[in-house]
Amino acid sequence: EVQLVESGGGLVQPGGSLRLSCAASGFTFSSYAMSWVRQTPGKGLEWVSAISGSGGSTYYADSVKGRFTISRDNSKNTLYLQMNSLRAEDTAVYYCAKEPPGEWLFRGDFDYWGQGTLVTVSS
Amino acid sequence: EIVLTQSPATLSLSPGERATLSCRASQSISSYLAWYQQKPGQAPRLLIYDASNRAAAIPARFSGSGSGTDFTLTISSLEPEDFAVYYCQQRSNWPWTFGQGTKVEIK
Repeated sequence: EVQLVESGGGLVQPGGSLRLSCAASGFTFSSYAMSWVRQTPGKGLEWVSAISGSGGSTYYADSVKGRFTISRDNSKNTLYLQMNSLRAEDTAVYYCAKEPPGEWLFRGDFDYWGQGTLVTVSS
Repeated sequence: EIVLTQSPATLSLSPGERATLSCRASQSISSYLAWYQQKPGQAPRLLIYDASNRAAAIPARFSGSGSGTDFTLTISSLEPEDFAVYYCQQRSNWPWTFGQGTKVEIK
């Protein structure tokens, strides 16, 4: 059974940093691209960042480029999101999401999602 | 960035009725569209991928159609567990984007 379990969310002040983790199990982690997707009441669902199965390719939304870094440790079956220079508008529930099998590095849709971790940026 | 516009924002229907949800893209995305269902307090669940393919374990009452810029999700006969929010998402161009959602509520 595929499981994705996020952790690391919490309350942080503007300008602060946080690292999210997503522990994966039930599938061959290194074979699948992964993404972080966030959700706010006001803006709905927003794709944040993606990383290929090997970790060699990464993409970011413009809203987080230069501030967030996605990475993965395939030996630990874990996905990460390092978030720096946090802003109030980064407040959201952050989901990690797995891509279905595909013939390219990225497919771009998501067949499994974690339960989400809440990040609140406020003073 | 490709903008996805979903309509209506809210659909009020009774169990057993047919639901038709629309998603329109700001430019052609071929068939690179997915539909997700989300219930309160839960993560989204993949229903349809590549516009018309049901994901694993998704009941046959869910169907998707369309290509280019206009897409439809149809629920042929609403079950009580189908009342939820539905999102479309495109994977044609970076950044991948979602629609704002359609809430299907009990009338």
